[in-house]
Amino acid sequence: NAGVIQTPRHKVTGKGQEATLWCEPISGHSAVFWYRQTIVQGLEFLTYFRNQAPIDDSGMPKERFSAQMPNQSHSTLKIQSTQPQDSAVYLCASSLAPGGNYAEQFFGPGTRLTVL
Amino acid sequence: GDSVTQTEGLVTVTEGLPVMLNCTYQTAYSDVAFFWYVQYLNEAPKLLLRSSTDNKRTEHQGFHATLHKSSSSFHLQKSSVQLSDSALYYCALSEGNYNVLYFGSGTKLTVEP
Repeated sequence: NAGVIQTPRHKVTGKGQEATLWCEPISGHSAVFWYRQTIVQGLEFLTYFRNQAPIDDSGMPKERFSAQMPNQSHSTLKIQSTQPQDSAVYLCASSLAPGGNYAEQFFGPGTRLTVL
Repeated sequence: GDSVTQTEGLVTVTEGLPVMLNCTYQTAYSDVAFFWYVQYLNEAPKLLLRSSTDNKRTEHQGFHATLHKSSSSFHLQKSSVQLSDSALYYCALSEGNYNVLYFGSGTKLTVEP
């Protein structure tokens, strides 16, 4: 079990450029989550997929952020026209189907995005 | 909405001494679970403890926490810290089947020799 895989591990973009972050969840996990981590805000929820369907994107900045899950083996987070305030570590997590056992989320190593 | 509060941003403790990291919450839901995640330097957050049962002590890796719904708290404790416990600790909650984690701001624990 390789765990949650995120690529790239580091990405540097210029202001106004696009950034696409990739996540491969643990095989068999049907729930995928994206979080953003900064020193100031800590860990913030962005969006959530269950069985590839978008369930909740209430944490996503609406104008420039989008996420997809085209198949059960990967999800992408796209940031258009990146701004310096988007600089953060973006974490992907996956879990078994949610249920009464409050499934554990397994986090990937994160992608550190730096917008210059 | 739900919120989790960790009042200490930084905690420094001498090796061998006890520690308690505070976590309080606000939620309108009754079917809620609570978690402590630990993040070591340059690593991903990992689950340390979880609980959804009122007044039941949960233990793992020498740490323990008890959910007290009467005081809306889920404090993390250890009786004797080790240098290897130095890390960032996050308290979080999720609602029933929903599973989205709402995190507190985190507490950085530094254990000194």
